[in-house]
Amino acid sequence: GQNIDQPTEMTATEGAIVQINCTYQTSGFNGLFWYQQHAGEAPTFLSYNVLDGLEEKGRFSSFLSRSKGYSYLLLKELQMKDSASYLCAVLDSNYQLIWGAGTKLIIKP
Amino acid sequence: GAVVSQHPSWVICKSGTSVKIECRSLDFQATTMFWYRQFPKQSLMLMATSNEGSKATYEQGVEKDKFLINHASLTLSTLTVTSAHPEDSSFYICSAREGQGMETQYFGPGTRLLVL
Repeated sequence: GQNIDQPTEMTATEGAIVQINCTYQTSGFNGLFWYQQHAGEAPTFLSYNVLDGLEEKGRFSSFLSRSKGYSYLLLKELQMKDSASYLCAVLDSNYQLIWGAGTKLIIKP
Repeated sequence: GAVVSQHPSWVICKSGTSVKIECRSLDFQATTMFWYRQFPKQSLMLMATSNEGSKATYEQGVEKDKFLINHASLTLSTLTVTSAHPEDSSFYICSAREGQGMETQYFGPGTRLLVL
C-alpha cells in the first residue's frame, strides 16, 4: 500500500530551527509537496521537490532523497506565526496526491 | 500564485436539506479539480477528482449519489451534499490544478459545514 509518515507533533522555540521529516512509500513518484495549514484554514503551498537535493525559499527549505524515500522541511528563524500543521504529500504514478497526516508544529516564546 | 475561491465559507443547515458548495479558479483554467473533506485533527481525505466536461471519479467509500459533483466549466466545480446529516458536518476543501501532470494544486479557503 501507499504510506506517508511524518511525526504527529513537534515543539520548537521562537527564533530556533526545526526540521520536519517525511518518509514515503508510494506506487511511483512524480514529486513531493509540502503544505502549511493553519487551524481552520485550507492548506497553502510551500514547496515542490522532484529532484534530489535542497530547495531554499527564504526561511523555508525542503530536501528530497528519492533513493531513501525521504524528505524534510527546514524552518529557520522560527516565528510564532509558523505555528501550524505541515503536510507532506507525494504525487504518485497516477498523478494523485497521497497525503501524510500532517505534523503539528507548536512554537513557544 | 494561483487563486482559488470557495463559496460559501460557512454553512449551517438542518438535517435533510441539500447544500451546494462552489469552487472557482480565478486566474487560471483548471482542467482538474479535487474535493477533500477534513475532520478535526485529521489529514485531508480525497473525496473525488473531477475533470472538466466529464464525470467525477469518486474515492472508495464516498457515495456518488450523496455527494454530487459538477465540473461544468474550466473555472467552476460544484459539490452538492444531498440530504445532509449531522455526520456530514466537516470542513470541505476544493483544490484546482491547471494541467494533468505535476502542476501544483492550489486550494480554496474551505467551507465549514454544520448540519443540525
